[in-house]
Amino acid sequence: ETGVTQSPTHLIKTRGQQVTLRCSSQSGHNTVSWYQQALGQGPQFIFQYYREEENGRGNFPPRFSGLQFPNYSSELNVNALELDDSALYLCASSLLRDEQYFGPGTRLTVT
Amino acid sequence: AQTVTQSQPEMSVQEAETVTLSCTYDTSENNYYLFWYKQPPSRQMILVIRQEAYKQQNATENRFSVNFQKAAKSFSLKISDSQLGDTAMYFCAFMKHEFTSGTYKYIFGTGTRLKVLA
Repeated sequence: ETGVTQSPTHLIKTRGQQVTLRCSSQSGHNTVSWYQQALGQGPQFIFQYYREEENGRGNFPPRFSGLQFPNYSSELNVNALELDDSALYLCASSLLRDEQYFGPGTRLTVT
Repeated sequence: AQTVTQSQPEMSVQEAETVTLSCTYDTSENNYYLFWYKQPPSRQMILVIRQEAYKQQNATENRFSVNFQKAAKSFSLKISDSQLGDTAMYFCAFMKHEFTSGTYKYIFGTGTRLKVLA
């Protein structure tokens, strides 16, 4: 059984650019959740995908968008990057009602 | 709105000793799940222990146990026989079910940084 993987590990972007982060779910999981973790803070819920449909969203603007693919892997896209978007982005996979298993995260730095 | 509060930003404990991390939460729901996650410097969030609110018995997982007080909305984590590898950030999390969207999402506390001293 493979765990949750994320790519890339680190990323540096310039303000105004766009970024795509990727996540591969743990085998058998049909739900992916994305979280933003600012330095020294707990993760904040961005949105969740269940069977390729967005299944709920946190307090993040529309420039944060996502996709889930038929193999349940997922992407997080952020447009018009701002300095405050610098954070660790965590992906978590699960069966919908079960505990979530996290990937190692992508560290995004916006300059 | 649900909130999760961890009032101890940092704690330290001697190797082989016992330490307790505090967590309180606020919810009007009756059925929910609570979790403790560990985040070492490698950044990977690792599930330590989970507790279903409908279960009165406190969850245990080897050296880790919880004291779940539903009426007081308290969910503390006890680590016995602390080991150097327990050094990490510990997050308490509440799983919230949003009926309108069907979402199951985590609300996390701000974390407690635990350092185990040799």
